[in-house]
Amino acid sequence: EAGVTQSPTHLIKTRGQQATLRCSPISGHTSVYWYQQALGLGLQFLLWYDEGEERNRGNFPPRFSGRQFPNYSSELNVNALELEDSALYLCASSLGGHSYNEQFFGPGTRLTVL
Amino acid sequence: KNQVEQSPQSLIILEGKNCTLQCNYTVSPFSNLRWYKQDTGRGPVSLTIMTFSENTKSNGRYTATLDADTKQSSLHITASQLSDSASYICVVSAQTGANNLFFGTGTRLTVIP
Repeated sequence: EAGVTQSPTHLIKTRGQQATLRCSPISGHTSVYWYQQALGLGLQFLLWYDEGEERNRGNFPPRFSGRQFPNYSSELNVNALELEDSALYLCASSLGGHSYNEQFFGPGTRLTVL
Repeated sequence: KNQVEQSPQSLIILEGKNCTLQCNYTVSPFSNLRWYKQDTGRGPVSLTIMTFSENTKSNGRYTATLDADTKQSSLHITASQLSDSASYICVVSAQTGANNLFFGTGTRLTVIP
């Protein structure tokens, strides 16, 4: 069974540009979560999508946005990039938006903002 | 306030030795607790999950314990291997709330030959 996949693996942008990160969940999973992990820090919750709807978002500015497609894959968009956006962005999927459903993580996208 | 605290922040041990990582939480109402292993630059991988009624669970050389009364958990690694070098993250779920997962900042374990 294929796991959660993310693309691209690495992404290099300059300040002010926009970045688009993609995530494909495990087949059958309807929930997708996005997390930011800055170097040396813990995971910070960004966004949660379930059945195509945004269910919750973390304490991040509006320039962090995303969407979930009918096939449950998801996109994370970061506008007006800032240097501090450099981080590993992790996507996770689960069977549904309940805490007892384990989240399976993808390998991440390393975003570097120059 | 729902929080998860892990200790130590980092740990260096010799190959073959045992070690124990700690996780204290204030999350309420408690649903379950998971330990994840995260290799550098990769996504976390689940090691164990425990609910309120479980006080120990093993996965190979990894054994997790849970004391729901004191709100403490530990992850014990036996006969460490070089491949155990990673960050270990404690994640606690609350029973309610739209975003009810609380992450610790992890313990960075380095196993040296």
